Amino acid sequence: AQKITQTQPGMFVQEKEAVTLDCTYDTSDPSYGLFWYKQPSSGEMIFLIYQGSYDQQNATEGRYSLNFQKARKSANLVISASQLGDSAMYFCAMREGLKAGGTSYGKLTFGQGTILTVHP
Amino acid sequence: DTAVSQTPKYLVTQMGNDKSIKCEQNLGHDTMYWYKQDSKKFLKIMFSYNNKELIINETVPNRFSPKSPDKAHLNLHINSLELGDSAVYFCASSQLVVRGETQYFGPGTRLLVL
Repeated sequence: AQKITQTQPGMFVQEKEAVTLDCTYDTSDPSYGLFWYKQPSSGEMIFLIYQGSYDQQNATEGRYSLNFQKARKSANLVISASQLGDSAMYFCAMREGLKAGGTSYGKLTFGQGTILTVHP
Repeated sequence: DTAVSQTPKYLVTQMGNDKSIKCEQNLGHDTMYWYKQDSKKFLKIMFSYNNKELIINETVPNRFSPKSPDKAHLNLHINSLELGDSAVYFCASSQLVVRGETQYFGPGTRLLVL
């Protein structure tokens, strides 16, 4: 079963508008972290924002904010005031709780990605 | 001032060859990872080392052998390369003991097996 689901293969947004990229996750672990990464056409993976499962407030980093709805198991990325340079693939990822001797020790499980295109 | 670096950036080789990819991080992190991104852009963990010890091995063929000579380096050696090994390989690092640690990725190594 998919642990991280990004249902939008592609999204389009007009420059200067806001856009929401969807991410839902599945875990029974009470301790987990959710991450968003950006991969531009040049190929590198750029960390954008992090949300911990115990964090009371939604994470924000500049123009990026994470709409964390724990009961719905969703962690949507909101990009405000889109710029042309925001055009890229965006990945949602989850790190489940650290388990001594277990295989989920720190690894990230990624969603399929969403290609965002910003139009001028 | 590169945080996580990988060499080479591009690797084109023939089927059956053996090749290595090197990774170094200067962030002082204690955990390093190898991920594989396939042609459909799907990213999957391969290995993880914490303080030079293997802690994750995600059912990767034993043709792939990671080696961590010290905390700052994690190399990936691939024997008898196959066409299906063509992918982008990313190295990453994090400080595992900190709750909410972020994994920082290297620039990726694009491997093409002919």
